[in-house]
Parts: sequence; structure tokens; C-alpha cells
Amino acid sequence: KNEVEQSPQNLTAQEGEFITINCSYSVGISALHWLQQHPGGGIVSLFMLSSGKKKHGRLIATINIQEKHSSLHITASHPRDSAVYICAVRRMGFGNEKLTFGTGTRLTIIP
Amino acid sequence: DSGVTQTPKHLITATGQRVTLRCSPRSGDLSVYWYQQSLDQGLQFLIQYYNGEERAKGNILERFSAQQFPDLHSELNLSSLELGDSALYFCASSVGTTVNEQFFGPGTRLTVL
Repeated sequence: KNEVEQSPQNLTAQEGEFITINCSYSVGISALHWLQQHPGGGIVSLFMLSSGKKKHGRLIATINIQEKHSSLHITASHPRDSAVYICAVRRMGFGNEKLTFGTGTRLTIIP
Repeated sequence: DSGVTQTPKHLITATGQRVTLRCSPRSGDLSVYWYQQSLDQGLQFLIQYYNGEERAKGNILERFSAQQFPDLHSELNLSSLELGDSALYFCASSVGTTVNEQFFGPGTRLTVL
């Protein structure tokens, strides 16, 4: 079983819909990252969370440390949001700066 | 633009060859991370350097090596290349070694024929 699991693997929605992508992990973590990868391949860091909730524009990320679960929400989705969204965790402990990645959620927003 | 640069953007080479990928971190960042993204394995951590010293090692093959130079740029050397080494190689940088956000470069797409 992977340490980081994402769902769904693929998501297609109409423009304007509210989107939720889920990430569950099985290890103790010091931080969780949400990344966006566009079709060209580049990776953009969206959020880094260790507790609670963060908001940036139409994007909201939440984390529940006790339940080992995080969600990424997109409000008023737009075709330009079409990308692969990747959850990554940083394990607790000294020397654990590396990230362990989920397999990603491919989001397609149809106009 | 993350401020992290990687060269080259694309690299096509043959099996058995050796290549060097280069990464320049954001100004002020001391940590550099290398990641490999292949179709069947997804994103995987290879190796991290902090201020010139190796800090952590992941799923890096013995045929691969890396270093970080005094000016903090890093190089990833891949030798005896195999078809399965074809992948996107990303470099990321962060300020330090505690819980810091990582900023990713645009990646180098390596194709081994």
C-alpha cells in the first residue's frame, strides 16, 4: 500500500463546478504539500500545510492531522484549472526533508 | 517562474551513454532536491544536498550520482543509461532543511533510445 493515496485518479467536471480532491496518508508527517502539474510538465507548489486550512484565490486546502487526511478544493472551476494535482508529504523526523508523492489526480474542466 | 532553472530542457541520447543535468536553485536557497518522474513510477525522490553536503538519499540507482558546488548549483550525473531511465527529472530548492516550501524547476525530459 502506498504511503500517500489520492482520490479520485481522474475527475472531469463542467466549468463552474466545485471540485474536491482527497489525499490520505499513513505515516506521521511534518507537512503536506499540494502541487499542480500542467500538461507541459512544469510543477507549481500550491500549498504547504501542517495544520488547519489555507486559501489562495479559488483554491482551498485543508488538513486533518488526526485523521491523516487532506483535501484540495477548487471553487468556480475553470478550464485553465485542468492539470494533474499531486499530494506530497514530508515525514516527521530529522533528515526527512524529502517528499513522498501520491500518484496524482488528473482534473479536466470542460467549458 | 519559480526561480529554479534547469538545463537542458530536453535531452535525447542512446543506451550506454552518460549525461549531466544541471540545476540552479533560487537565490538564497541552500537545499537542492532531485526527483524523477517516470510514467510507471510517478514522482520519486532521488537525492538531496544542503550547502554542498549530501543530506538524504532516496531511490537513486548506483549508476546515478549528484553533487552540489560551492555556488550552490547542482548536477545530476546519469551513466550507463538504459531505456527505463527515460523520464522527467526535476530539481527543487528550499531555503533550509526544516519544514520549508520547495520550489520546482521546469524539469529536464530525458529520452534514452
